[in-house]
Amino acid sequence: GENVEQHPSTLSVQEGDSAVIKCTYSDSASNYFPWYKQELGKGPQLIIDIRSNVGEKKDQRIAVTLNKTAKHFSLHITETQPEDSAVYFCAAADYKLSFGAGTTVTVRA
Amino acid sequence: DGGITQSPKYLFRKEGQNVTLSCEQNLNHDAMYWYRQDPGQGLRLIYYSQIVNDFQKGDIAEGYSVSREKKESFPLTVTSAQKNPTAFYLCASSQRSPLYGYTFGSGTRLTVV
Repeated sequence: GENVEQHPSTLSVQEGDSAVIKCTYSDSASNYFPWYKQELGKGPQLIIDIRSNVGEKKDQRIAVTLNKTAKHFSLHITETQPEDSAVYFCAAADYKLSFGAGTTVTVRA
Repeated sequence: DGGITQSPKYLFRKEGQNVTLSCEQNLNHDAMYWYRQDPGQGLRLIYYSQIVNDFQKGDIAEGYSVSREKKESFPLTVTSAQKNPTAFYLCASSQRSPLYGYTFGSGTRLTVV
């Protein structure tokens, strides 16, 4: 089955700086790569996703890049704000989603 | 508004009891999923169902059971055979293909007392 590894497990950034989270996957058949944000005590919410026929996608301060040859993808958050503090999960899908272990992001004011 | 509803939000279980967690969706999604989340860990798949009256075991199905009698509903029973049931349980749904993303419920926190 698919194995998704996510790094780092925790990330602390100064407000206004950028944050980068990296994930690798094992199954070359995976072709859909979403990112979820989970606030304390809530369910994860989809924030951005990318499909295998695209190398990069951007939505305001959030961007995701995908390198299918190397089997890794990354989430970039620019101009971080306190409300970006949360746990972020990457995932990869062929016929079902497999999730990374999560990254706890803390934005320091 | 379309969405996915989990209830209750908090649940306490005594040793040896079975408890059932509810998950209902009105998104007309074919597939539904149950995940378990422990502190500092990712989401581990318990069971999933891609169509009514059919479901498959995930990575950690032991001690759990499910049913899918209606498209909208996918209840999870945590049985007394589950040795360490205290966790945060998340239900999700998707169109039949996961390539359109999952919608998650707000979760149920189960505590054994």
